[in-house]
Amino acid sequence: SAVISQKPSRDICQRGTSLTIQCQVDSQVTMMFWYRQQPGQSLTLIATANQGSEATYESGFVIDKFPISRPNLTFSTLTVSNMSPEDSSIYLCSVEGTGANYEQYFGPGTRLTVT
Amino acid sequence: KQEVTQIPAALSVPEGENLVLNCSFTDSAIYNLQWFRQDPGKGLTSLLLIQSSQREQTSGRLNASLDKSSGRSTLYIAASQPGDSATYLCAVRGDYKLSFGAGTTVTVRA
Repeated sequence: SAVISQKPSRDICQRGTSLTIQCQVDSQVTMMFWYRQQPGQSLTLIATANQGSEATYESGFVIDKFPISRPNLTFSTLTVSNMSPEDSSIYLCSVEGTGANYEQYFGPGTRLTVT
Repeated sequence: KQEVTQIPAALSVPEGENLVLNCSFTDSAIYNLQWFRQDPGKGLTSLLLIQSSQREQTSGRLNASLDKSSGRSTLYIAASQPGDSATYLCAVRGDYKLSFGAGTTVTVRA
């Protein structure tokens, strides 16, 4: 298994500002994922981040809005840029375990409210 | 595109009753299926993972079955307890990513 921590756990931000969310894993992992969970909705994948390469974004998500860094095998950041109230969501970091079954583990999430 | 559906959307049962949660998916070309639990405002906890070649997995009071050909999985929780109250999410893994259902919110009444 993998233990994942996220910072901050929650934040309230003004529209037009940016917030950077940090994700730290207790072991080296190849693939890290960033998800968004809007109020009352299920999870939607934003992007996949591999160390040493550009993040791969899902349809509907762009790098200018959600820039991602992956400087090493245990850490990643997601920035939510130029925020609007529609960005109010829980943002979750996820990793694949190192076992052959590709089990995914999730962090505790960052609850973002944009006013 | 993979579509994952969970029925029912919400469920309320008295303590001690068995729970049956359903998950269906449209594309049977999956690598595995995971069941997660999510408490309000929190992250996801992995409960069970079933590989595409498996029919079921068990962990304590939890049992999950998989019928890949018909695109269905069922999560059984035996002898429910108030602490089982949460949202349960089903997710299927395709080539590299998980596709999630909307979840079933369970309330177990003491």
